[in-house]
Amino acid sequence: KQEVTQIPAALSVPEGENLVLNCSFTDSAIYNLQWFRQDPGKGLTSLLLIQSSQREQTSGRLNASLDKSSGRSTLYIAASQPGDSATYLCAVRQLGETSGSRLTFGEGTQLTVNP
Amino acid sequence: DGGITQSPKYLFRKEGQNVTLSCEQNLNHDAMYWYRQDPGQGLRLIYYSQIVNDFQKGDIAEGYSVSREKKESFPLTVTSAQKNPTAFYLCASSIWDGGDSQHFGDGTRLSIL
Repeated sequence: KQEVTQIPAALSVPEGENLVLNCSFTDSAIYNLQWFRQDPGKGLTSLLLIQSSQREQTSGRLNASLDKSSGRSTLYIAASQPGDSATYLCAVRQLGETSGSRLTFGEGTQLTVNP
Repeated sequence: DGGITQSPKYLFRKEGQNVTLSCEQNLNHDAMYWYRQDPGQGLRLIYYSQIVNDFQKGDIAEGYSVSREKKESFPLTVTSAQKNPTAFYLCASSIWDGGDSQHFGDGTRLSIL
């Protein structure tokens, strides 16, 4: 059974700092990996989706990398801002999963960016 | 605007009562999902539906029921058999053929009176 782990559970940084969030998964036979953002009391917003054949994806100040063989993904946030404060979750879709887009989620990293 | 609407935002359940959470989407997505999120934890899949009139149990289906009579709607009933229903419930949808991200509603927070 796929397990997804995110480290650290919480992170507090000063504004302007570059930071890295980590995600690891136990079964490397994945179809894709996705990073989400969740604001308090809200749903999830998709940030980046990396297909298993890709190594990284970029959107603005965000860059996500994927190393399928080692079961790891990182989300890099450049020049962090207070508005980046949220919980970040990663999720993987298993290869060959007959249930379509069924995802396995990590527990999330709660990020606080201090002004 | 296309999206997913969950209602109500807050819901309270009495002992022995069934309650139903609404989820409606106008994205023309075939697949819909219900997740449960407990404090400090990731999402766990309750039920999912790939197409109208069909649905499958997820990892924690006990004490819950769903229906999918229309493509746009996927209501979740939390029955009295669910002994620990207090949680944040999220509905999502996606294009069935995969490779596409899931789109989420803003959730319903269920509490016990």
